[in-house]
Amino acid sequence: EPEVTQTPSHQVTQMGQEVILRCVPISNHLYFYWYRQILGQKVEFLVSFYNNEISEKSEIFDDQFSVERPDGSNFTLKIRSTKLEDSAMYFCASSEYPGGWDTDTQYFGPGTRLTVL
Amino acid sequence: SQQGEEDPQALSIQEGENATMNCSYKTSINNLQWYRQNSGRGLVHLILIRSNEREKHSGRLRVTLDTSKKSSSLLITASRAADTASYFCATATDTGGFKTIFGAGTRLFVKA
Repeated sequence: EPEVTQTPSHQVTQMGQEVILRCVPISNHLYFYWYRQILGQKVEFLVSFYNNEISEKSEIFDDQFSVERPDGSNFTLKIRSTKLEDSAMYFCASSEYPGGWDTDTQYFGPGTRLTVL
Repeated sequence: SQQGEEDPQALSIQEGENATMNCSYKTSINNLQWYRQNSGRGLVHLILIRSNEREKHSGRLRVTLDTSKKSSSLLITASRAADTASYFCATATDTGGFKTIFGAGTRLFVKA
C-alpha cells in the first residue's frame, strides 16, 4: 500500500539554525499539508499546498516557514531560523482530493521529531 | 471552545467493553474525520463522515454526526488492548483553501 514517507525521523539542531524537513507524498496525490504536534498537545495545521502554491496557512506559519515542491516527488518544509518553541513532531500529509471535500482522506507520514537546543 | 474538541480527555476501560468518545465543533463543516495515533507515531485515518450523513460504520467503529448540535461521536465496540491510543476528530471546513483542524484528542487506555 502506498504511504507517505518523511526524513529524517529525528532532527536535532541549534537555535537559530535552518532546518529542512522532507516528505515524499503518495505519488498520485495533488494536495499536500504540514502539521505539527508539540509533545502532549494536539495536532496543529500549518499549511496546505496545491498546484505549486500555498492554498492556506495558519497563524503559526509565519515568515520563518516556507514550503516547496522542488521536484515531482518531494515536498519540503523549511524553518529559516529555529527557535526553542519550534521543537515538535512535524507531520506531512497528502490527499488525492482537497481537504474539505466530502471524499477527502489525508494520509499522514510517520513524522519528523525536531529538537531545537 | 475550539474547533474539534473531544471529550473525555482520557478514558480507561476493560478489554471487551465499548468506548465512546465525543467531539464538538463550532463552524460549518464539509466532513468530519476520526484519526488514531499510537504513542509517538503518525496519525492513522479511521473513518470519514460527510456532513449529509448521520451515521457510518466500519468494522468495530461506529461514527455519528449531528450537524444541528455540531457534534460527533466515535464508538469502538468490543475494545481490545491494541485499541489503546489517542483518538482525534478533525474537521474540514471550506475556508477557500484546504484546512483541517484537529481536536485535542481522547487518550484511550484499554486494560487487558
